[in-house]
Amino acid sequence: GAGVSQSPRYKVTKRGQDVALRCDPISGHVSLYWYRQALGQGPEFLTYFNYEAQQDKSGLPNDRFSAERPEGSISTLTIQRTEQRDSAMYRCASSRQGITEAFFGQGTRLTVV
Amino acid sequence: GQQVMQIPQYQHVQEGEDFTTYCNSSTTLSNIQWYKQRPGGHPVFLIQLVKSGEVKKQKRLTFQFGEAKKNSSLHITATQTTDVGTYFCALSSNTGKLIFGQGTTLQVKP
Repeated sequence: GAGVSQSPRYKVTKRGQDVALRCDPISGHVSLYWYRQALGQGPEFLTYFNYEAQQDKSGLPNDRFSAERPEGSISTLTIQRTEQRDSAMYRCASSRQGITEAFFGQGTRLTVV
Repeated sequence: GQQVMQIPQYQHVQEGEDFTTYCNSSTTLSNIQWYKQRPGGHPVFLIQLVKSGEVKKQKRLTFQFGEAKKNSSLHITATQTTDVGTYFCALSSNTGKLIFGQGTTLQVKP
């Protein structure tokens, strides 16, 4: 695609439900990053992939959070048993191999009620 | 782990005034990137600096990488209302992940 696509753009869910956030990176981009961004703060690193391999998941807050990228393209960030504190903007970014610019998607605004 | 500190957190300037944001690290950086996020938008890449002492310009924006590769700055000359937004620096850790600073939010009064 032309850019990084994230879906849904907005998600409201009840506390305790599971949610899956999808990221479709720019075609051919090797690296894919997941971030969480609170209002007025910088993007907080969650995890990243090179191809289908999860290289670093040190930013995932706890074991309710997981991510996968099974075919090295589309990625899914899953949050199980959501809590109100999980409410945030979740952003995905992709980049070519190596240390190059990251292209961000529009994000998914998650609200847990 | 590696992290960067950005100062100031906020800056309000009159249109036409200059603006500078600083990014500091306690460790030597392999590179640094700068991003701009408009209100309601997503971060957009501006530039990457790799070499010690490097200076790059983009129109009214000047980016510098310190000689010791532990700090960087972004300077905007004669700000315009279109410069409004939050400016982030970001570093690549030794594991390859991209780590962002907290950002400097610029407000420009016309």
